[in-house]
Amino acid sequence: DSGVTQTPKHLITATGQRVTLRCSPRSGDLSVYWYQQSLDQGLQFLIQYYNGEERAKGNILERFSAQQFPDLHSELNLSSLELGDSALYFCASSVASEQETQYFGPGTRLLVL
Amino acid sequence: GENVEQHPSTLSVQEGDSAVIKCTYSDSASNYFPWYKQELGKRPQLIIDIRSNVGEKKDQRIAVTLNKTAKHFSLHITETQPEDSAVYFCAASRYNQGGKLIFGQGTELSVKP
Repeated sequence: DSGVTQTPKHLITATGQRVTLRCSPRSGDLSVYWYQQSLDQGLQFLIQYYNGEERAKGNILERFSAQQFPDLHSELNLSSLELGDSALYFCASSVASEQETQYFGPGTRLLVL
Repeated sequence: GENVEQHPSTLSVQEGDSAVIKCTYSDSASNYFPWYKQELGKRPQLIIDIRSNVGEKKDQRIAVTLNKTAKHFSLHITETQPEDSAVYFCAASRYNQGGKLIFGQGTELSVKP
């Protein structure tokens, strides 16, 4: 157990819908990262927040957004869902904002039908 | 753009043999190279990392080598055991881009008893 928690574990929804994924980092960690893992794309970095501020951005779609709250938990919002958004979404956390060990959560498996 | 190529995509070895996985990165400013292990249905976990100021790092049966000139780095696992069976991901990161990791496509390692 890495200490990073994610809810829900599984999510099944329909195209066009909107969902929110939640992540709580390890105690003391200030950075939260979001990754998308699909069979054909591997692990793709989406976005990083550090102490409430956006720190780094990857190829995150405009339909996706994230935020980090004062208690440091983070939410990833996915809207206008498409079949291709079906994937495993991981959250990770680390103590600081730069290059160091990232601890991954168990992931949320999203299925868009 | 930033890219990390990883080879091979699958690797099968006999227990006790060595396994080598190779990655090449495109961004010459990359200076941090972690390796993650992901067992089936589980989260990725860091197993070793290397920074650009060293050429090699070892941790028991695992070692990583870095060739900055050629822009490639490799993971070496000696005396493989069945529990080493997993998907291994290499990644690269450059300083001042937060913790953004660019991952390779992964190598599925199978260790046969």
